[in-house]
Amino acid sequence: DAKTTQPPSMDCAEGRAANLPCNHSTISGNEYVYWYRQIHSQGPQYIIHGLKNNETNEMASLIITEDRKSSTLILPHATLRDTAVYYCIVRGAGGKLIFGQGTELSVKP
Amino acid sequence: DSGVTQTPKHLITATGQRVTLRCSPRSGDLSVYWYQQSLDQGLQFLIQYYNGEERAKGNILERFSAQQFPDLHSELNLSSLELGDSALYFCASSEGPYQETQYFGPGTRLLVL
Repeated sequence: DAKTTQPPSMDCAEGRAANLPCNHSTISGNEYVYWYRQIHSQGPQYIIHGLKNNETNEMASLIITEDRKSSTLILPHATLRDTAVYYCIVRGAGGKLIFGQGTELSVKP
Repeated sequence: DSGVTQTPKHLITATGQRVTLRCSPRSGDLSVYWYQQSLDQGLQFLIQYYNGEERAKGNILERFSAQQFPDLHSELNLSSLELGDSALYFCASSEGPYQETQYFGPGTRLLVL
């Protein structure tokens, strides 16, 4: 499974969009990009995943570059409850979920 | 609420002891996964069961074992406990065998004294 690189921490103002980047330059054609988050020692929460096309659900949007070497998770209107560690994971079908260090997002009032 | 339940929420025990952690997957999910999260190692995949059979293995110690029962609940057994086994243990579940989208339970916090 391809390795990912994320900034260790980011700040975002409440009500603004939070844009969390992820680099996965060694991703292969059949590998998906998954995003999970973990709010202070709670179980990780699935957010969204995609292969090539941009995806949107009720929680977030996932923008994947055309070459698929990087992606951005967008929380359109961040709230204090979005403060968490966000994990970007690349995995193929049947591949394990390998959690890295993630990005610690702090949403500030 | 992911629909995955874990018991107990907290467990305090002594070195050398044995404990059992329990997980009930979401309704309809056939796969159960176990993860360990410690301060120095992050979230580590331990083992996966699908419909009662072991499906994939990660960094699970020989002192640890798991099983999935006919009603699909799973138990993780930790024996000869060491101080370093103190961690959060998460269970996750998914519909099928291929580690697709997984939904995590609230975890069991184990403290070994």
